[in-house]
Amino acid sequence: GQNIDQPTEMTATEGAIVQINCTYQTSGFNGLFWYQQHAGEAPTFLSYNVLDGLEEKGRFSSFLSRSKGYSYLLLKELQMKDSASYLCAGMDSNYQLIWGAGTKLIIKP
Amino acid sequence: DTAVSQTPKYLVTQMGNDKSIKCEQNLGHDTMYWYKQDSKKFLKIMFSYNNKELIINETVPNRFSPKSPDKAHLNLHINSLELGDSAVYFCASSPGLEVTGELFFGEGSRLTVL
Repeated sequence: GQNIDQPTEMTATEGAIVQINCTYQTSGFNGLFWYQQHAGEAPTFLSYNVLDGLEEKGRFSSFLSRSKGYSYLLLKELQMKDSASYLCAGMDSNYQLIWGAGTKLIIKP
Repeated sequence: DTAVSQTPKYLVTQMGNDKSIKCEQNLGHDTMYWYKQDSKKFLKIMFSYNNKELIINETVPNRFSPKSPDKAHLNLHINSLELGDSAVYFCASSPGLEVTGELFFGEGSRLTVL
């Protein structure tokens, strides 16, 4: 079956770095997405990886290893506004997105 | 102008009633989706339409009926509402079926069935 696993909750300190891991199992693979979702709001796109390696975008970076079925989202210089849920989603061979339940990130001062 | 807009944002209703949620996108996208996000926060695809044609119809009860009058609109009608239908329903759109970039979400419609 198809499955996305990510931790339920993480806590980090303002100004620090945090890495949110995601493992995926999909029927075929057409890429891995990360979305941010603040409480009561819609998910917003952060990144898309289809090739192995690290993609950096400002304070956020996303890594993919297709052989390991593994991705992570790295957040640097954490700010209080980064407190949100981070959703990992894998795209299968039919271009259908399989979503994880999200990792709730709590930032403490 | 909001890219993907859905109405109403909040909906409170009694069991057994029928209700509709409307969605419109002004991005010129060909593909639109309905997702359900329950209290456990999983986003589950319900339907996807490409150029007004139904592409994905996941195992949702047939009380849920989507309608796409044109490719900019995808509405969701729910008959005989049940307690378990309480959730946030998100509409989304993408340029085409082969999503290789951003999926654009509406703000969500929070449905509460009493």
